[in-house]
This record gives sequence, C-alpha cells and structure tokens, in this order.
Amino acid sequence: DTGVSQDPRHKITKRGQNVTFRCDPISEHNRLYWYRQTLGQGPEFLTYFQNEAQLEKSRLLSDRFSAERPKGSFSTLEIQRTEQGDSAMYLCASSQIQGAAEKLFFGSGTQLSVL
Amino acid sequence: GQNIDQPTEMTATEGAIVQINCTYQTSGFNGLFWYQQHAGEAPTFLSYNVLDGLEEKGRFSSFLSRSKGYSYLLLKELQMKDSASYLCAVRDGGYSTLTFGKGTMLLVSP
Repeated sequence: DTGVSQDPRHKITKRGQNVTFRCDPISEHNRLYWYRQTLGQGPEFLTYFQNEAQLEKSRLLSDRFSAERPKGSFSTLEIQRTEQGDSAMYLCASSQIQGAAEKLFFGSGTQLSVL
Repeated sequence: GQNIDQPTEMTATEGAIVQINCTYQTSGFNGLFWYQQHAGEAPTFLSYNVLDGLEEKGRFSSFLSRSKGYSYLLLKELQMKDSASYLCAVRDGGYSTLTFGKGTMLLVSP
C-alpha cells in the first residue's frame, strides 16, 4: 500500500495561467475525491468519481475547474485562468465503497499559490 | 445544507485528557468521522460513529448522540505529538460525500 500520491507538492503560478494537478489513488480503490482546503478551514468538497464516472460536482465549483479520471485510475484536476482566490491546498482522497462506513484516505495535497 | 461547528482552538497539558466537541445540523445523517491533520500533512482517519454511544480505540474515543446532533472526540494521556487539527466530518444521508467542519487546533504543552 503506497498510499495516495499527488503531484506536484507545490505549484506557484501567475494569475491567468492554467494549472493541472495529478492524483494517483490507492490501487484497489474505486472512488476518488477532490477537496480544497484553505488555512484554518476544513477540506471543502469539489468533486468525486466512481471508477471513471464523475458522479458529483460541488455547486461552488467554477466552470474554470475540470477534473478527469479517464481510465478509472489516476485523476487530473485542471484550473483554467487561475485567480488569486484559487490559492489553496488541493487534496485528493480515495476509498473503497463500504456504504456509510466508507473511509477516505487522503494524499498530502498540492499547495497552489497564485501570484 | 449542512452546518458543522467545533471550537477553533484548544490547549491542554501533556498527560491530561481533552474533549473536542462537534455539533451538526444536516438534512440527513449517515455517519460521523473524526480526522487528525498535522500542519502541512494529509488528514488521517481516527474514528467513525453511526450509532449512538461511545467508540473506544486506544487513547482516543468518540461519542455520538444523533438526537442531539452532537459528537465529541476524547483524547487521553495527551502527548506532544497530539498537537494537530482535529476535523469533524458528517456524511449526509442522501450523499456519499463528507462535509467537514473547520477543525479544532489542539496545542499540547509540556
């Protein structure tokens, strides 16, 4: 079990640029989640996949954000035309379906700074 | 919508016991989770409650009262390494996603 890995760990970009993050979940996990966390706040749900299907997106998620999980394994999160308000830690988590007891296993996150 | 409240900060002394409270208001309920998050690191799972009562796991215990919309995390024999943020999260009955509170920053001093 290598855990959930995210790449890169840190990303600094200029406002208006596009950025893409990658998440590799635990290999046997069929669900993959993206969360965003800012300092002093809890993780905020963005979207999740079951296998390759994107089942839910937060109503708060801007059209500038898009996520994919093309083969039901790794996932990418792209932010287009970044804004300073996008600066946050982007966390990926994976799980196996276990009903209500489903536990999320988080990666260490990608820290995005938009200048 | 969902509303989850927990204290922002708490302090305690090494070797002591601390209780971190969490109250929630959700349209449905399908489980409550506690996660620990050290600064700059990923949240890690601590406990899960879906029925009323106390779940004990070593130095950590978690309690749930569904009728009161209330949970607490009890940490015994505090150690310096317990200094972290403790996140309360609720799974709404109608959705698979977890909604997190803002977290309680616990500082353990010698």
